Amino acid sequence: ETGVTQSPTHLIKTRGQQVTLRCSSQSGHNTVSWYQQALGQGPQFIFQYYREEENGRGNFPPRFSGLQFPNYSSELNVNALELDDSALYLCASSQTSGHNEQFFGPGTRLTVL
Amino acid sequence: QKEVEQDPGPLSVPEGAIVSLNCTYSNSAFQYFMWYRQYSRKGPELLMYTYSSGNKEDGRFTAQVDKSSKYISLFIRDSQPSDSATYLCAMSPRGGGSEKLVFGKGTKLTVNP
Repeated sequence: ETGVTQSPTHLIKTRGQQVTLRCSSQSGHNTVSWYQQALGQGPQFIFQYYREEENGRGNFPPRFSGLQFPNYSSELNVNALELDDSALYLCASSQTSGHNEQFFGPGTRLTVL
Repeated sequence: QKEVEQDPGPLSVPEGAIVSLNCTYSNSAFQYFMWYRQYSRKGPELLMYTYSSGNKEDGRFTAQVDKSSKYISLFIRDSQPSDSATYLCAMSPRGGGSEKLVFGKGTKLTVNP
């Protein structure tokens, strides 16, 4: 069974730039959720994708957007980066049915200068 | 008031100690309660998953939920240096992989040999 993978591991951007983060879900999972974890904080829900459609969104501005592809992998895009966007971005994959666990990837560490 | 409150610690204990980690919450709709462990530079991994009130035991770990007090706990018996990590509580109104998880800030635990 292949786990959740994310790329890149870390990256550095400057204010105003745009970034794309990628996530490959675990085999057999059809749902991907994205979370932002600032330093010293717990993860905060950004949004979720199910069958290529957004299926719920947290309290994040529209410059945070995403995609899910037919193979259930996903992208998180952030436009007009701000300093406060510096965080660990986690993706979690899961099945929608039953009491199923969300399996987290190792995260992408984004630093905005 | 935040939906989920967790004392961030840090907590330092000697090997073999009993560790108690706690979270309180304000949203009475929460029915599913989880504890995740997060090692440095890794994504969170699920330790315990409980529904509604009661206790659940898994090896050295015991999770307790008291919905009347809106209080959950994780106990670690015979703590080991390998237990050194950040422990995150998380909760949701419903089970299933499509649920948005609401996390506490995490408690950083160090178990000293």
